[in-house]
Amino acid sequence: SQQGEEDPQALSIQEGENATMNCSYKTSINNLQWYRQNSGRGLVHLILIRSNEREKHSGRLRVTLDTSKKSSSLLITASRAADTASYFCATPFSGGYNKLIFGAGTRLAVHP
Amino acid sequence: EPEVTQTPSHQVTQMGQEVILRCVPISNHLYFYWYRQILGQKVEFLVSFYNNEISEKSEIFDDQFSVERPDGSNFTLKIRSTKLEDSAMYFCASSLGQTPGANVLTFGAGSRLTVL
Repeated sequence: SQQGEEDPQALSIQEGENATMNCSYKTSINNLQWYRQNSGRGLVHLILIRSNEREKHSGRLRVTLDTSKKSSSLLITASRAADTASYFCATPFSGGYNKLIFGAGTRLAVHP
Repeated sequence: EPEVTQTPSHQVTQMGQEVILRCVPISNHLYFYWYRQILGQKVEFLVSFYNNEISEKSEIFDDQFSVERPDGSNFTLKIRSTKLEDSAMYFCASSLGQTPGANVLTFGAGSRLTVL
């Protein structure tokens, strides 16, 4: 099945450090998205990167996409305690754009 | 900032009972979705809805599930006869379109369903 799978499953860092999360997927895509979920809440869209882009920035977020390796990474620089959340990558189902498939997520804990 | 609203935030029900979860998507969005997340697990796609009909559904979305857009604003998920394994957080989402960029999902805060 087509899925984005994130690693690591969990990441614990200190405030001010950078956090890197990786995502791998199985089929060709035209875009990949990253979402954030605070505990018990809905997912919030962070950033979308298209298949013809290699890198994209948004504030303290940097996303890369390597379509040859079918992988993406999300880097959060200068992390803050408020960045504590789960982060998911999502890819469109190859049979159409009509749904996004989410990976299992990376649980990030940022300690003050 | 437009948002997707869901009600109820938490529902407790007995096994075998019918449950209706309600959602109000963003007004100019055309695609509507239900996802669910069992505690501690991944977010799973259930169904997508466009132009007043189901456009895609997953294996999870069996005959016990149905969706409806009864008026111009609400989008509902009905579970006819709940099972213990239906206990999960159910998320409604909507998107403007399906092309890259337009397929960004806006999620509601979720409805937690507990089946006893």
